[in-house]
Amino acid sequence: DIQMTQSPSFLSASVGDRVTINCKASQNINKYLNWYQQKLGEAPKRLIYNTNNLQTGIPSRFSGSGSGTDYTLTISSLQPEDFATYFCLQHNSFPLTFGSGTKLEIK
Amino acid sequence: EVKLLESGGGLVQPGGSMRLSCAASGFTFTDFYMNWIRQPAGKAPEWLGFIRNKANGYTTEYNPSVKGRFTISRDNTQNMLYLQMNTLRAEDTATYYCARRYFDFWGPGTMVTVSS
Repeated sequence: DIQMTQSPSFLSASVGDRVTINCKASQNINKYLNWYQQKLGEAPKRLIYNTNNLQTGIPSRFSGSGSGTDYTLTISSLQPEDFATYFCLQHNSFPLTFGSGTKLEIK
Repeated sequence: EVKLLESGGGLVQPGGSMRLSCAASGFTFTDFYMNWIRQPAGKAPEWLGFIRNKANGYTTEYNPSVKGRFTISRDNTQNMLYLQMNTLRAEDTATYYCARRYFDFWGPGTMVTVSS
């Protein structure tokens, strides 16, 4: 199985900050990496697909980058509604695997 | 508008069985692979498996963690997706979600609790 190591697990930041969240795969996943935002009691919402493609309707302050085994989600200027938990998902190889999550909290 | 709605969750005893359903609307159901994912409270999601679309013969793939106990099926006449879960264990307690092929749309989830 491909292990997805996500960091940090917790992140405390302020409105307006630029933040980055990382996922490192245990082997090359060929850019088949999605990012999700999840708020309490809700299903995950796709933000980015295949590394750097912004989901329709998602604000442009969200962006993704990476290749090989290393991937990054960047939020350029945090807004109050961005405080949530974020997960990555690799869909290159079976079984598909998620990162362990990053909880983004207000400082 | 794409909609997915899971149902069938609840409390089940260890060793028991349960079938979850996912009603799909707003898209051509037979064109899409469909996934099941679960998420224990406070933990990361876990992909359980998917069933392919019509063009790929409705074949299935499973996570080895549930292969042999869980079965995914679909009724394309009713736009329904199913997850049959057998020999349930306490560690199967989670919210179960269905999602479309590339995890672009998810249902709101249904909770399954395995406990005596």
